[in-house]
Amino acid sequence: EPEVTQTPSHQVTQMGQEVILRCVPISNHLYFYWYRQILGQKVEFLVSFYNNEISEKSEIFDDQFSVERPDGSNFTLKIRSTKLEDSAMYFCASSQSAGDTGELFFGEGSRLTVL
Amino acid sequence: GENVEQHPSTLSVQEGDSAVIKCTYSDSASNYFPWYKQELGKRPQLIIDIRSNVGEKKDQRIAVTLNKTAKHFSLHITETQPEDSAVYFCAAIGGSNYKLTFGKGTLLTVNP
Repeated sequence: EPEVTQTPSHQVTQMGQEVILRCVPISNHLYFYWYRQILGQKVEFLVSFYNNEISEKSEIFDDQFSVERPDGSNFTLKIRSTKLEDSAMYFCASSQSAGDTGELFFGEGSRLTVL
Repeated sequence: GENVEQHPSTLSVQEGDSAVIKCTYSDSASNYFPWYKQELGKRPQLIIDIRSNVGEKKDQRIAVTLNKTAKHFSLHITETQPEDSAVYFCAAIGGSNYKLTFGKGTLLTVNP
């Protein structure tokens, strides 16, 4: 069964450093997302991406965050200058369609620890 | 924007009993309501979903009900087993087509 894959599984970084989290969505999916989950809390939407542009972003997704689809397979989340409060599990997800017709498939997550 | 409330936050049942988790949502335009199961340290996995043109859906021991008038939906697990122990999240897609809003989760513990 096709899966969304994410790397790295765990990254430890110093506050102020840049971090790039990578995702390979399911190959025939057109919509890509990043969600995050602070330990013990709910899953929160960060951003959605379709047709090579951001379709929606949350208030969490400020100027420190950016997303990119640099080639036909990867989808990346960059945090420019990490803060302690960025420590969380980051989930990439993809879907074939949007809204109520598109089941979201989540990757295994990238745990980011900011020291 | 959409707001999803979920109750209870923790639920402990004996093996074989039923478990019910309830969610309410705020955006009357919401029309898709998935439920996810998340085991410790793992990704959320879709277990069942319901769309607004349906009032109830069942898949073996799992069922979901939706009341659009009251803006609430519920997950029912019958004949619970220890492997059902996990955190369960409800979610809704509101007026936006791209943003899934999650509830805060319910930690279900099934005691053997």
